[in-house]
Amino acid sequence: GAVVSQHPSWVICKSGTSVKIECRSLDFQATTMFWYRQFPKQSLMLMATSNEGSKATYEQGVEKDKFLINHASLTLSTLTVTSAHPEDSSFYICSARKVTEAFFGQGTRLTVV
Amino acid sequence: GQQLNQSPQSMFIQEGEDVSMNCTSSSIFNTWLWYKQDPGEGPVLLIALYKAGELTSNGRLTAQFGITRKDSFLNISASIPSDVGIYFCAGQISPGGSQGNLIFGKGTKLSVKP
Repeated sequence: GAVVSQHPSWVICKSGTSVKIECRSLDFQATTMFWYRQFPKQSLMLMATSNEGSKATYEQGVEKDKFLINHASLTLSTLTVTSAHPEDSSFYICSARKVTEAFFGQGTRLTVV
Repeated sequence: GQQLNQSPQSMFIQEGEDVSMNCTSSSIFNTWLWYKQDPGEGPVLLIALYKAGELTSNGRLTAQFGITRKDSFLNISASIPSDVGIYFCAGQISPGGSQGNLIFGKGTKLSVKP
């Protein structure tokens, strides 16, 4: 397998503040990483595809100015939730592609109060 | 867009029983992946399938890539309490490149009664 580390595993923030979530591939290089959002008891919803050195590709309905993605190196992608609101509270998960397989981080539980 | 139909949605079984779940699609996939997700964790890859008809095992888990390339199943034999979790299938049209993102099924929630 391969190791993908996501940090933090949980965060509580005040409404209106911004939160950054990091996704690192620890033992391989990933030119492509993906960011998902998961609501309770539901499947993973793809938010955006993060490409190293270029702009992220966002899925329809996902606000690119609210969910800022930066893939500055082959082992790190970040998701910043800007001006967070309680409705942004969710479980956010990243994955990194290694050849033909995708490996997931541990997820980040975001709670906006 | 493409959709995966995963069934059953949930299962309640007795420890020791075998489990079977499947995914079907209206699209042809080049890759099928099966993941397990524990509560509060990210999905963990269980089995990857790359060829139509391929049958692959991982311990008590067996998965097959359907011959039509539009379906896949996962079997768990002799279930144990730690098998509890949500199992997701995922299909991929393009195995490589930035366009080869995964399409996920809605998941099968497995509960095992000791």
